[in-house]
Parts: sequence; C-alpha cells; structure tokens
Amino acid sequence: TQLLEQSPQFLSIQEGENLTVYCNSSSVFSSLQWYRQEPGEGPVLLVTVVTGGEVKKLKRLTFQFGDARKDSSLHITAAQTGDTGLYLCAGIKYGNKLVFGAGTILRVKS
Amino acid sequence: GAVVSQHPSWVICKSGTSVKIECRSLDFQATTMFWYRQFPKQSLMLMATSNEGSKATYEQGVEKDKFLINHASLTLSTLTVTSAHPEDSSFYICSASETGREQYFGPGTRLTVT
Repeated sequence: TQLLEQSPQFLSIQEGENLTVYCNSSSVFSSLQWYRQEPGEGPVLLVTVVTGGEVKKLKRLTFQFGDARKDSSLHITAAQTGDTGLYLCAGIKYGNKLVFGAGTILRVKS
Repeated sequence: GAVVSQHPSWVICKSGTSVKIECRSLDFQATTMFWYRQFPKQSLMLMATSNEGSKATYEQGVEKDKFLINHASLTLSTLTVTSAHPEDSSFYICSASETGREQYFGPGTRLTVT
C-alpha cells in the first residue's frame, strides 16, 4: 500500500506551460519534502514544508502543504526543459524514515 | 557541505557472486544511514536503516542475510549483496543523516547482475 499517492505519474508539456503535481495521503506527516532526481543520480532535496498551510517559493516552483498536513502540491510556472526529471514527494514518519511517493516523471519539450 | 558519496557508481557482477557498495559522508558525521533501492522509473524503496555501531533495522520483506549492512564508523556504511541474482539488479542509493532531521542522498550505484 502506497502511503503517499502522487499524481500524475507522467506529464509531458511544452516549454512555457504551467503544471501542478499533487501528493496525497490519509496519514498525517510531521513534515513533507519534495525531491528532484535525474537519471542515474540520487534525489536532490528541493524543499521541506513543516507547517500546515505553509507555502514556499523557490524561483518558479511553489510548494504548498495542506492545512491538515496530509497533502502537498508542487506548482511550476513557465516550465523549462531543464525542469525535466523525476519529482518525488516524501513524508517523514517515525524514526525519521522517509516514505516516498511513486514519483512524477516530468518531460518538458522545447 | 553535506556531501555523500557512493562507490562504485556502477558495477557488473556474475550471478552467485557478492558485491559491496560503500556509502560515505564526506563532511559530516552520519549517526544514521539509510539504504534504498530503486527500479527504473519507479520510486525509492527503503531497505534498511543503520545506526553507527549497532545492527541495521531492515524493512519488511528485505532479506537481512542477503543484504548485509555494516555501519562501522560515523562516516562509512557498506551494503553487501550476497549471492547476487539478476533480479537484484537495481539502482541502490544511500542517504546519511547527522541530526536525524535531514537526509542527504548519495549519487547511487547501478548494479547489474549477469
């Protein structure tokens, strides 16, 4: 059973378009993280959200943590080809273990 | 700061042999290290958690006798895949944590068993 449901699983868009990736769970997490991973490399942390309702911005990326701390979203404005990659959300549970969502493969075409 | 390295970055071994993967924290002391495996276009699955000087804790369904983990120092953890089979072929990623709040990921090791 996947504790974190991520959607969509795959997204192919044109450069300049906007997109949103969702991460949902029935469980409450103390905090939630978003990672980006390129093929053959380890995941790189983008952001950690801790407070319910929190919104964080990282250039063209906007991250939101749900009020109940069960869901999160990643919004990318004016996507660029360099945004292509696998985006993973991860919730932090007991023992500081990370529970990863299934991931969203993003392909931005020029 | 917070750099984690893995060695080797890729390895090919024959079925039945064992292979060791190293995970090092280069600029901090990692009290906890985690080992994950990842199949193509899939997410990371936690295999085990290791704390320096103690036995690793394995996730359900992970064979501890097949995937030997040793966290001998605060900067080094090793994962040994024993009697490897083709189905063990995967991308193995480690992460290290100093405080327990943040995990820093290594670049991964691609294992191919022929």
